[in-house]
This record gives sequence, structure tokens and C-alpha cells, in this order.
Amino acid sequence: GENVEQHPSTLSVQEGDSAVIKCTYSDSASNYFPWYKQELGKGPQLIIDIRSNVGEKKDQRIAVTLNKTAKHFSLHITETQPEDSAVYFCAASRGSARQLTFGSGTQLTVLP
Amino acid sequence: DAGVIQSPRHEVTEMGQEVTLRCKPISGHDYLFWYRQTMMRGLELLIYFNNNVPIDDSGMPEDRFSAKMPNASFSTLKIQPSEPRDSAVYFCASTTTVGDTQYFGPGTRLTVL
Repeated sequence: GENVEQHPSTLSVQEGDSAVIKCTYSDSASNYFPWYKQELGKGPQLIIDIRSNVGEKKDQRIAVTLNKTAKHFSLHITETQPEDSAVYFCAASRGSARQLTFGSGTQLTVLP
Repeated sequence: DAGVIQSPRHEVTEMGQEVTLRCKPISGHDYLFWYRQTMMRGLELLIYFNNNVPIDDSGMPEDRFSAKMPNASFSTLKIQPSEPRDSAVYFCASTTTVGDTQYFGPGTRLTVL
């Protein structure tokens, strides 16, 4: 089955700096890669996703890149703010949102 | 719009007791997922339903766990008998056949003493 590895497990950045979280996946048939943000005491919420026919996608301060050949995808957050502090999860699946396999999560702390 | 609703939000029980977790998916969503989240194992898919029918239960840890979806607006995850190692946060999520995003509920934090 699919295996998703996520790095780093913790990340601290100064407010205004950029943050990058990286994931690798094992199943070359995976074609859907969402990123979720989980705040304390809440369920994960989708923040951005990308499909395998696209190399990059941006939404304001958030961007995701995908390298299908290397089976890597990354989350980039620019101009970080304290409210960006949370746990971020990457995930991968074949065929839309069924059976997502999640990475182990990254605790992002944005220091004021 | 109401999101995915889970109850209870917190459950504390003693080993050996039966525990029932409840989920109401977003109206119109025809896929429902149950996940378990622990520090050691992260987010694990336990089982998912499509149109109230269980499609894949390979993530259910053992026979003590069972899940049902009697109708499109309600699902239960039951643990009988519960054990301390079942302590975790259990999430329910839903999505549509043509959609991509899985919408998660707030979770149920289960503590088995």
C-alpha cells in the first residue's frame, strides 16, 4: 500500500519568514495530494491540494509543488503569521479523496 | 452549513466497557470515513462507507471494533470491550462522489482507564 513520509516533524520560524514542509510517497499511482491543517482540539481542515497533472498551485500565501518523477511534494507558506501555528499533514491517494494515506505531521510554530 | 457532527466530544470509560461514538456527515455527502489519531501511529483510516455500505474495513484493528451506517445521516463506531490502548481521538469525515475534499468533524477524545 501507499506510504507517505513527512519532514520535518517540528518546525519553528520567525514571523514573516517562510516555512517549507516536505513529503514523499511510494505509490506511483497516487494522483491526489491534499494538505491539511489541524489546530489544537479540532479536526484537520483542508488548506490546499494538488493533482498529479499539475506541478504547482498557489493560494495567497500558501503554495504546493509536486515532482511526480521523484515522488515528492511540498507545502510552502510565505510571510508566516502566528495564526499559522498548527500541525500540518500531507496525504496521498489514488482516485480523488478515497482512502487518504497521511504523513506523520509537522508541528509548525511561528514565533512573534 | 453544519459541518460533520460528532458526539460525544469526550468520553472517559473503564476497561471492558462498551463505547459508542457517533457521527452525522454533511448532508448530501455519500462517503463517510472513520479515522483514529494517536501520537504513535498518527492518523489511521479505520473504515469507510459509500452510500451506507462498508467498502473497506481493513484498517479496523480487531474484532472489538465495529462500525455501522444505518442511514445516510448517521454512523456509529463501537468498541466492545474497550481497552486502554484504544485511547485516542477518533475522527469522522465525509465527502461526495464527485468531490475531493474530505471534511473532518471535531473528533471524539476517548480515554479508557
